[in-house]
Amino acid sequence: QKEVEQNSGPLSVPEGAIASLNCTYSDRGSQSFFWYRQYSGKSPELIMSIYSNGDKEDGRFTAQLNKASQYVSLLIRDSQPSDSATYLCAVNIYTGGFKTIFGAGTRLFVKA
Amino acid sequence: KAGVTQTPRYLIKTRGQQVTLSCSPISGHRSVSWYQQTPGQGLQFLFEYFSETQRNKGNFPGRFSGRQFSNSRSEMNVSTLELGDSALYLCASSLARDTRTYYEQYFGPGTRLTVT
Repeated sequence: QKEVEQNSGPLSVPEGAIASLNCTYSDRGSQSFFWYRQYSGKSPELIMSIYSNGDKEDGRFTAQLNKASQYVSLLIRDSQPSDSATYLCAVNIYTGGFKTIFGAGTRLFVKA
Repeated sequence: KAGVTQTPRYLIKTRGQQVTLSCSPISGHRSVSWYQQTPGQGLQFLFEYFSETQRNKGNFPGRFSGRQFSNSRSEMNVSTLELGDSALYLCASSLARDTRTYYEQYFGPGTRLTVT
């Protein structure tokens, strides 16, 4: 089992719809959770961080964390063509030093 | 505030050579992590440095090494390059004011290494 799993996609949604991206992780000691957006040929850009169970909203983005189910998700409301990118889920664990494990990413296409 | 910078941005090397990549973190950030990104393996953690000490290391051979200087700048070295080392190498910095509390990581633009 991979440490951080995401659906590879591609996920295609029409403009204005809600895009839902999911991620599961295997290490129950995971402490912090992040979503990064990566455009083709660019480096990852942090869009959301979440540390405790529940929802965290920032503009059109909502991150949801359920530590009991080892599940984290990202909702993008009112999706725009500019949201088309690969979304990486990242999970951080402390083992004497910080180690961040990334999922393989989900490719999102927002159709105009 | 300036972001994370990496040099060089592009590099072409021959098998068997060695390479050194450089990363300057965001001002005030003391933690620097290095990652390798390839289409087949995705983003893989190489190592993390904090206050000149390597605190964690990923599953890479000993040919991959790094160091951090007192000004938090970091270098990564790969010796005896192999074709499979062709990748985007990313550096990320974080505040990490103390050793237990984690802060968000911010990535640099990366160095694209091609080994021929």
